Amino acid sequence: AQKITQTQPGMFVQEKEAVTLDCTYDTSDPSYGLFWYKQPSSGEMIFLIYQGSYDQQNATEGRYSLNFQKARKSANLVISASQLGDSAMYFCAMREGPMDSSYKLIFGSGTRLLVRP
Amino acid sequence: EAEVAQSPRYKITEKSQAVAFWCDPISGHATLYWYRQILGQGPELLVQFQDESVVDDSQLPKDRFSAERLKGVDSTLKIQPAELGDSAMYLCASRRTSITYEQYFGPGTRLTVT
Repeated sequence: AQKITQTQPGMFVQEKEAVTLDCTYDTSDPSYGLFWYKQPSSGEMIFLIYQGSYDQQNATEGRYSLNFQKARKSANLVISASQLGDSAMYFCAMREGPMDSSYKLIFGSGTRLLVRP
Repeated sequence: EAEVAQSPRYKITEKSQAVAFWCDPISGHATLYWYRQILGQGPELLVQFQDESVVDDSQLPKDRFSAERLKGVDSTLKIQPAELGDSAMYLCASRRTSITYEQYFGPGTRLTVT
């Protein structure tokens, strides 16, 4: 069965510094995708970044980048130049199933990030 | 920018009462998901619709939970009777299907069962 592990329950980072949030996964399917979502205290899940298993380059979206190491089965999120508004829960998730109507997401337990001024 | 709408945002109900949540996905999104998120955990899928059909409800406690999407647009999730362990955030998400990979989430309904 597919599984997502986030081993850091909480992280602190100083404003304007970079931070890495860890995510490891387990799957036997050669085709999969990894997502990162941000969940502020208001509750909504905000999509940040996506990496497909066959993508040759690491995904980047603005200040977010995904450090994808396939052999180690890790997909760490790197946030550069942290801002106070980055304080939130961050969830790593894996696509289970093909990229059609049947696909669903399996989520990790999350990491709470607090940005210090 | 189009958003997934959910109501109510907050709901407090007593044990053994019935409760219902509503979700309106982004227009044109054929796939709709209901997730349950217990405090301190990641969301877990309850039920998935493709248009009006259920694709996956393997994690839905069918003795007390029901979900419908009659016209393939908006959806309702019902709990009857509610139990203390049902206290959680209920999130709805939608996806266009076969065009984009990301799921767009609504603001959620926070349920407290007393």
